[in-house]
Amino acid sequence: AIQLTQSPSSLSASAGDRVTITCRASQGIASAVAWYQQKPGMGPKLLIYDASRLERGVPSRFSGRGSGTDFTLTISSLQPEDFATYFCQQFNSFPPTFGQGTRLEIK
Amino acid sequence: QVQLQESGPRLVKPSETLSLTCTVSGDSITSDGYSWNWIRQPAGKGLEWIGRVYSNAVANYSPSLQSRLTMSLDTSKNQFSLRLNSVTAADTAVYYCARDPSFGRWLDPWGQGTQVIVSP
Repeated sequence: AIQLTQSPSSLSASAGDRVTITCRASQGIASAVAWYQQKPGMGPKLLIYDASRLERGVPSRFSGRGSGTDFTLTISSLQPEDFATYFCQQFNSFPPTFGQGTRLEIK
Repeated sequence: QVQLQESGPRLVKPSETLSLTCTVSGDSITSDGYSWNWIRQPAGKGLEWIGRVYSNAVANYSPSLQSRLTMSLDTSKNQFSLRLNSVTAADTAVYYCARDPSFGRWLDPWGQGTQVIVSP
C-alpha cells in the first residue's frame, strides 16, 4: 500500500498566520489526493480534492497544490475555526490510504 | 443535505463479530456509481480505510482485513452495513461511514463516528 507521510505532525500557530502542511507519497500518485479537516468528536470534512480543487463552500483561504509525490495544503490566514486536525488521502492506488494527520493548535 | 449516521454496539467481546449499520438520509444508496465506505480510527491514531460497497452491491475490502469482512446494502432501509468477525483489541476504534460520489476520488460526507471497544 502507498504510504503518505504528513509533516509536521503538529503545528502551533496564531490567528492570521499562513501555514502549510505537507503530504509526501511513497510513490507517484498523480493528482489523486484529497484533504480533510477533522474537529474533535466529528467525522472529517472534505476541503480539497484532485490535489487542488476547492470543495464547494470551503473558504478560499484554503488551497492545495502538488502532483506526483509531494502535496501541500495551505491556509493563507488562519481563523479561529481552523484549529483542527488535517489529513491527506490518496486514491490513485488500491487500497486508499491516509496520512497520519497534522494537528494545528493555537499558539 | 446528505447525512450519514453510524449505529451499533459499543462493546464487543474478543473473537465475536462486530456489526455496524450506516443510515443514509438525503440520498439513495442505489445512486448509480456511488460507493459507501467504512473507515476507522484507533484512539490517538490516524485513519484506516476498511472497505466499500457500491450501489450495485459489489464490495471491495482492505487486503489486511478482507478475510474477516463483509459489507452489504439494505435498499429497503437505505442503509449499508459492516460485519467484522473474530475481533481482537486491535479492532477497538471509532468507526466512520462515508459516501463516495466521485468514482473513487474523495469521500463526502462522513458520519460523526461510533466508538467500538473490544473487551471481555
